[in-house]
Amino acid sequence: EAGVAQSPRYKIIEKRQSVAFWCNPISGHATLYWYQQILGQGPKLLIQFQNNGVVDDSQLPKDRFSAERLKGVDSTLKIQPAKLEDSAVYLCASSFGLAGGKPGELFFGEGSRLTVL
Amino acid sequence: AQKITQTQPGMFVQEKEAVTLDCTYDTSDPSYGLFWYKQPSSGEMIFLIYQGSYDQQNATEGRYSLNFQKARKSANLVISASQLGDSAMYFCAMREGRGGSQGNLIFGKGTKLSVKP
Repeated sequence: EAGVAQSPRYKIIEKRQSVAFWCNPISGHATLYWYQQILGQGPKLLIQFQNNGVVDDSQLPKDRFSAERLKGVDSTLKIQPAKLEDSAVYLCASSFGLAGGKPGELFFGEGSRLTVL
Repeated sequence: AQKITQTQPGMFVQEKEAVTLDCTYDTSDPSYGLFWYKQPSSGEMIFLIYQGSYDQQNATEGRYSLNFQKARKSANLVISASQLGDSAMYFCAMREGRGGSQGNLIFGKGTKLSVKP
C-alpha cells in the first residue's frame, strides 16, 4: 500500500516569496491534516479536512497561509508571503476519519522542509 | 498551559534493555485518547500505541506498552528489549473528545532516544 506522498522534500526561499506544498494521502482516507513542526518542537495542526471540507483551521495563519483539497483527494498548502518564522517541516497526514482504523492512527508523509532566508 | 509534557529531552538506553519515556497530560474532558508516535531521522511520524481514557487495561503493541495512570495523568511509554532501530524522537500526544477519535491531536515536545550497542 502506498503511503502519504509529499513534495517537494526540501525548499529554500527568500522572505516575502511564496511557496506551495503538495500532499497525496493514502487512497480511501477521508481525513487529511497539515501540521507544522518547528525544530525542537512537536507538530502543530494547521488545518484538517474531512473529504473536501474544512473541519479545523483555527491555528492556520490565514493572512499568509492557505490550503485546499478541491476533489477530496490531494491537497495543497501555500504560504504567501513567507516569513523567517515559517521555517519548519510541513507534515501531511491522513486517516480513515471517523469510521475504521484505530483512533488517532494518523499516517504521515516524510514532510517538506522549508527554509526561509 | 501545556497539555502534554515530556520532561526528558534525551534518553540513553543499552541495547536489549527496557526504557521508559515519560508523559504527563492535562485535560478536563473525561473522554480522551493518548498516543505515542515515533519519528526517525527520515522525518515521518509512525503511530505506535493508543490508550483510551476509559480503557481498563494498559495498552500493549508488541514491544511497546503504555503505563496509564489516570489519577496521576500520566501515560508513560515502555519499550522492552531495545533495538538499535529504536533510536528516534518519540512524541506523546492527546486527542480530547469521544475517546480520542475526533479533534485536534496535540503533541508534546518529544524525547530523543538513543540506543547504545
